Amino acid sequence: DGGITQSPKYLFRKEGQNVTLSCEQNLNHDAMYWYRQDPGQGLRLIYYSQIVNDFQKGDIAEGYSVSREKKESFPLTVTSAQKNPTAFYLCATAREGGLGHGYTFGSGTRLTVV
Amino acid sequence: EDKVVQSPLSLVVHEGDTVTLNCSYEVTNFRSLLWYKQEKKAPTFLFMLTSSGIEKKSGRLSSILDKKELFSILNITATQTGDSAIYLCAVIGGTSYGKLTFGQGTILTVHP
Repeated sequence: DGGITQSPKYLFRKEGQNVTLSCEQNLNHDAMYWYRQDPGQGLRLIYYSQIVNDFQKGDIAEGYSVSREKKESFPLTVTSAQKNPTAFYLCATAREGGLGHGYTFGSGTRLTVV
Repeated sequence: EDKVVQSPLSLVVHEGDTVTLNCSYEVTNFRSLLWYKQEKKAPTFLFMLTSSGIEKKSGRLSSILDKKELFSILNITATQTGDSAIYLCAVIGGTSYGKLTFGQGTILTVHP
C-alpha cells in the first residue's frame, strides 16, 4: 500500500558520529521534506526537495545534509556538526507543491544522542 | 520571516467539555492554513482553510479562518479521551514550493 516509510523508528548515536535517517515513498510525490520536532517548538524545516537531484536548505539546515538521487528516496544525514541532534525527525511528501492537503507524513525517527 | 503562534500551549479538560484552540500567524503571501492532530507519531490532517469566514466541520471538530485578523480557531465539542493529542497549526505562504511553517502546538489532555 502507498505511503512513506521512515527507518529506523529509534536510533541511538554516540557523540561525534554521523547517522543517516531513511525516508522512502511510493506515492509518486515530487516534493519531499525533513522536519525536526522538539518539545514545545512544533516542527521546523531542515531541508526540502522539489525534484530529483535538487534540494534546498530550510530554516535549520546547519549540521545536516541530504541527497535526492531518486524520486522515491530522501535520506537525511545528521552530522557531528549538529550540536543538539536529539529530537524527533519527520519526513513528509507533497503533491503539486503541497498547496492542497496533499502533505503526507512518515511515522518519524526518534534520535537520541548517548 | 513567517511566524505561527498557538495558544494555549497546553490544556487539560474533562470528557464532555468544549475546547477552543487558537492560532495566529504572520506570513508573506498567505495561501492556506492547516490543522493537524498528532498522537504519537505522524501528524494527521484535519482541515485546510483558505477563505475567511467559512467554517469547516468534521464530526465534533470545526475550524474557521479570519484573514483580516490573521487568526484561526479549532473547536472540539463534547471532548473524548481519544481527542488527547498535540494539535498543530501550520501555514503555507511565500514561494510555491509548499513549505509549511508550524506553530508550537497545543497539547490537549482529556480526562475521563
